[in-house]
Amino acid sequence: DAGVIQSPRHEVTEMGQEVTLRCKPISGHNSLFWYRQTMMRGLELLIYFNNNVPIDDSGMPEDRFSAKMPNASFSTLKIQPSEPRDSAVYFCASSPRTSGVGAADTQYFGPGTRLTVL
Amino acid sequence: DAKTTQPNSMESNEEEPVHLPCNHSTISGTDYIHWYRQLPSQGPEYVIHGLTSNVNNRMASLAIAEDRKSSTLILHRATLRDAAVYYCILRDVNTGGFKTIFGAGTRLFVKA
Repeated sequence: DAGVIQSPRHEVTEMGQEVTLRCKPISGHNSLFWYRQTMMRGLELLIYFNNNVPIDDSGMPEDRFSAKMPNASFSTLKIQPSEPRDSAVYFCASSPRTSGVGAADTQYFGPGTRLTVL
Repeated sequence: DAKTTQPNSMESNEEEPVHLPCNHSTISGTDYIHWYRQLPSQGPEYVIHGLTSNVNNRMASLAIAEDRKSSTLILHRATLRDAAVYYCILRDVNTGGFKTIFGAGTRLFVKA
């Protein structure tokens, strides 16, 4: 298995630019999560999808952030316009529904995208 | 959402067992207890989870208190590769288990 694939691995951009982060979940997984990690705030859940449908986006910090999952094998997290405080490592994770109880399912994380906004 | 409390850091010697505690005094009956760890410069990885009974897998053991208000992750023989941040997380069946809130975790240092 290739695992969760994220691209790019590193992104450096200037304030005001649009940034798009990409994620390919593990094949067959039906839940997808976007997280952000900073030194100050730790790991924060931004949004999660189940069967390509956004279930809870209450963690999305502002309207500048948006996420889509057009099909089961692809998701994007977009920041427009980007600001220096958006600098962080962004992780995508996917999860299969194996137990019948979502709370018991395992999340598989990608390697992350390190975003730097100058 | 029920909260977890963990020590900021712990230290262990290589080849010795490590007991990582987690307090979750406000846990509800529908919360599963999960442990993940994050190695340097990597994404978190699953370690183990349980509901009421103690659990064992190839990576670790999970001991859950009888009242479920605390749990302990046990690494039977720490190696240098086990140096990581360990997160104790509660996931609620009632919310579909999707919501995953990571705390600050415990940073484990392993000495050779």
